[in-house]
Amino acid sequence: QKEVEQDPGPLSVPEGAIVSLNCTYSNSAFQYFMWYRQYSRKGPELLMYTYSSGNKEDGRFTAQVDKSSKYISLFIRDSQPSDSATYLCAMSRSYGGSQGNLIFGKGTKLSVKP
Amino acid sequence: EAGVAQSPRYKIIEKRQSVAFWCNPISGHATLYWYQQILGQGPKLLIQFQNNGVVDDSQLPKDRFSAERLKGVDSTLKIQPAKLEDSAVYLCASSKDILNQPQHFGDGTRLSIL
Repeated sequence: QKEVEQDPGPLSVPEGAIVSLNCTYSNSAFQYFMWYRQYSRKGPELLMYTYSSGNKEDGRFTAQVDKSSKYISLFIRDSQPSDSATYLCAMSRSYGGSQGNLIFGKGTKLSVKP
Repeated sequence: EAGVAQSPRYKIIEKRQSVAFWCNPISGHATLYWYQQILGQGPKLLIQFQNNGVVDDSQLPKDRFSAERLKGVDSTLKIQPAKLEDSAVYLCASSKDILNQPQHFGDGTRLSIL
């Protein structure tokens, strides 16, 4: 079993839809959870960063972490064509040092159609 | 603030040849990371530097890969000899220090092995 599982999609939605992206993980030691967005032929850029369980909101983006289920989600409200990208979840055991190394999911490719 | 710079953007070589990639992190960032991202996968950490010292190189295939970060600024990653399975995007990332996420990524070097 991989440490981090993420459905690669592709996921296609109409403009304005609510998008739900998810990851599951197996290592209960993970405490820091991140979502990165990666446009084609670009490096990943950090969208959301969450510690432990709970919700975090930033504009149209909401990140949720359920450590009891080992499940994290990213919701995008009012999706726009500019949101079309690959979304990568990532997690780590600690904030820094070698234990802070990020373990990434495979990424979900999202396409938002005008 | 200038981002993480990487060169070259693209490289095509034949198997068994050698290749080198260069990374210049964000100014003042002490921690530097090299990742390998195979098509359809999330990035996988190869090596992490704190200033010019190695923090973690447990996933670096040391029989063919080497990396250095002289003077704690720029870094080079070398592959010698290259294998077909080394075809991937090589991403460099940096963070302010080992206890200070997030990591900022460059746009990577896309390596194709013929």
